[in-house]
Amino acid sequence: QKEVEQNSGPLSVPEGAIASLNCTYSDRGSQSFFWYRQYSGKSPELIMFIYSNGDKEDGRFTAQLNKASQYVSLLIRDSQPSDSATYLCAVRPGGSYIPTFGRGTSLIVHP
Amino acid sequence: DAGITQSPRYKITETGRQVTLMCHQTWSHSYMFWYRQDLGHGLRLIYYSAAADITDKGEVPDGYVVSRSKTENFPLTLESATRSQTSVYFCASSVVRFTGERYFGPGTRLTVT
Repeated sequence: QKEVEQNSGPLSVPEGAIASLNCTYSDRGSQSFFWYRQYSGKSPELIMFIYSNGDKEDGRFTAQLNKASQYVSLLIRDSQPSDSATYLCAVRPGGSYIPTFGRGTSLIVHP
Repeated sequence: DAGITQSPRYKITETGRQVTLMCHQTWSHSYMFWYRQDLGHGLRLIYYSAAADITDKGEVPDGYVVSRSKTENFPLTLESATRSQTSVYFCASSVVRFTGERYFGPGTRLTVT
């Protein structure tokens, strides 16, 4: 059974700090990795995707992938209260449309 | 407005009834998806479609039927609703393969009594 694990949180960080969200996965055949943000009662929004080991940066967001250790993380720099949401990690095997989602980590950024 | 719309936004139905959830996108994206989201399970893919008349099963397809006669529409039908199908259903679309579902609809909250 393919599993994607996330700490449910909540992760509480002060405004302006770096928030670090982590995700581990069990399927070594995974090739595509995604981070979504979901505000309470709203639909998910794709933040980033990453395929290769290393870091990928987009604005205040950095995704980090380590396939050998089977984890992917999301760093949010200069966290803002508007970043308070649940962050979903999703993992997809190579050549497959079917992702496995983690249950999400709740992030709270307090002023 | 351009985007993905879902209807109805809320639906209460009885066990055994057939119910259809509608999804419409205005961009003509090739790829469309149906997900369900439940507490304790996260998002799970029900069905997806790579183009009109091309559909395939996702992780949890049992009890659901889809069709895609037009690129812009991707209805999801529960043939005989069960209480376990009580969930929030999201439709999504994307342009490019394997880069993630970039656009999600607002969701339909379905309750089966």
